[in-house]
Amino acid sequence: DAKTTQPPSMDCAEGRAANLPCNHSTISGNEYVYWYRQIHSQGPQYIIHGLKNNETNEMASLIITEDRKSSTLILPHATLRDTAVYYCIVRAYNTDKLIFGTGTRLQVFP
Amino acid sequence: GAGVSQSPSNKVTEKGKDVELRCDPISGHTALYWYRQSLGQGLEFLIYFQGNSAPDKSGLPSDRFSAERTGGSVSTLTIQRTQQEDSAVYLCASSLDRTGALNGYTFGSGTRLTVV
Repeated sequence: DAKTTQPPSMDCAEGRAANLPCNHSTISGNEYVYWYRQIHSQGPQYIIHGLKNNETNEMASLIITEDRKSSTLILPHATLRDTAVYYCIVRAYNTDKLIFGTGTRLQVFP
Repeated sequence: GAGVSQSPSNKVTEKGKDVELRCDPISGHTALYWYRQSLGQGLEFLIYFQGNSAPDKSGLPSDRFSAERTGGSVSTLTIQRTQQEDSAVYLCASSLDRTGALNGYTFGSGTRLTVV
C-alpha cells in the first residue's frame, strides 16, 4: 500500500471548516483513500473513503486531486467533539488489512 | 449486537501470567481483525480472520500470542507468559466483507492490558 504523509497536528476554531491534508504521491490506480479518526480512549471510527471522485457523507467531504496524489478531508463545521487523531490510509480494494500511520491530531478550540 | 464488544475493558495481570481477551463482532460480519496500540503510538496490526480461518497472522509479535475464532463469530486473543512490553490497548474490529472496503471497519472500545 502507498505511503501517506500528514501534518502531525492542526488547530481549528469551533464552527469553522477543518481541512485536513494528506499526500499520497505514490498511489496506484487500484488504491482507495480512506479516512478514520480516533477520539481519545476510543477505537478508530470510519469516516469516508474514495477512489477518484469527490465524496460526501453526513460526517465529512473528501476532495481528491485530479492526479490523485493528494486529498483533503473537510469537516464543514467543526465542533469540540471533532477533536481527535485523523488517519489517512491508502489501500488496494482487495487487501485484507488497514495499515495506520501516525495521523494528524486535530484540536478544535472554542 | 449493535457494535463490536470487547471484554474485559481493563485487565491488570502479573508478569508471566496468561491472559485471554475476547471480541464479539457485529452479527453477520465475516471478517475480524485484532490490532494493538501502545501508549502514545499508532495502531499495530496483529491478525485477521475470515470466518474461522486466519489467512494473515503476520502481525503477531511472538509465539506467545495466539488467536482463534469459533463459529465465525467470537474471537479470543491469548497472550501467554505476559511481559511488561505487552501492556497496550488491544482493539478488535469487524467488517461485513473480507476487505472492509465497502463500509469500513467497525472497532470496539478495546481492552486496556497492564502487565505489572
